[in-house]
Amino acid sequence: DTGVSQDPRHKITKRGQNVTFRCDPISEHNRLYWYRQTLGQGPEFLTYFQNEAQLEKSRLLSDRFSAERPKGSFSTLEIQRTEQGDSAMYLCASNWVQGVNTEAFFGQGTRLTVV
Amino acid sequence: AQSVTQLDSQVPVFEEAPVELRCNYSSSVSVYLFWYVQYPNQGLQLLLKYLSGSTLVKGINGFEAEFNKSQTSFHLRKPSVHISDTAEYFCAVSPPNTGNQFYFGTGTSLTVIP
Repeated sequence: DTGVSQDPRHKITKRGQNVTFRCDPISEHNRLYWYRQTLGQGPEFLTYFQNEAQLEKSRLLSDRFSAERPKGSFSTLEIQRTEQGDSAMYLCASNWVQGVNTEAFFGQGTRLTVV
Repeated sequence: AQSVTQLDSQVPVFEEAPVELRCNYSSSVSVYLFWYVQYPNQGLQLLLKYLSGSTLVKGINGFEAEFNKSQTSFHLRKPSVHISDTAEYFCAVSPPNTGNQFYFGTGTSLTVIP
């Protein structure tokens, strides 16, 4: 078990470009979460999946943000028409949940810089 | 609605001294409580959690925290810190049955001085 893996670790993009990040959760975990962390702040919840179903997406920051988990394994987070304010660390986490909240295992994050 | 307040943004402390990192939360429902640590350029690692039962919770690396329902606090303590404890510490709450939506505080930067 190699833990939660995120790719790329760093991404620099020009304003207006689209970017996509990938997250590979721990293999037996049924839930996968995306968070955003800006400088000096704690992680901010964006969305989560149970298997392939996206159960909460109202916290996505705008309609430029979308996430998928098509086969219930890896997930992608896409940001369209990036803006400088999108610069942040994007964290993915996963866990196995059956009724009781348990700890979430976090990846190392993808640091996005929009220039 | 849930919110988490970490009262100290930066805490410097000398090596081998005790430390307490404060966390207060507000919630209209019972919550689960967590402390995570983040080392530079790393993801978050769980230190300890309170789900139910004993209000004194022991975690990894010698850390412990006490849940105080009346004061809505979950302060993190360590009796003797090491240089390697230098990191960012986040307190988080997670209401039951919310799909593990964690609400994080703004973090406390702990710097251990040799």
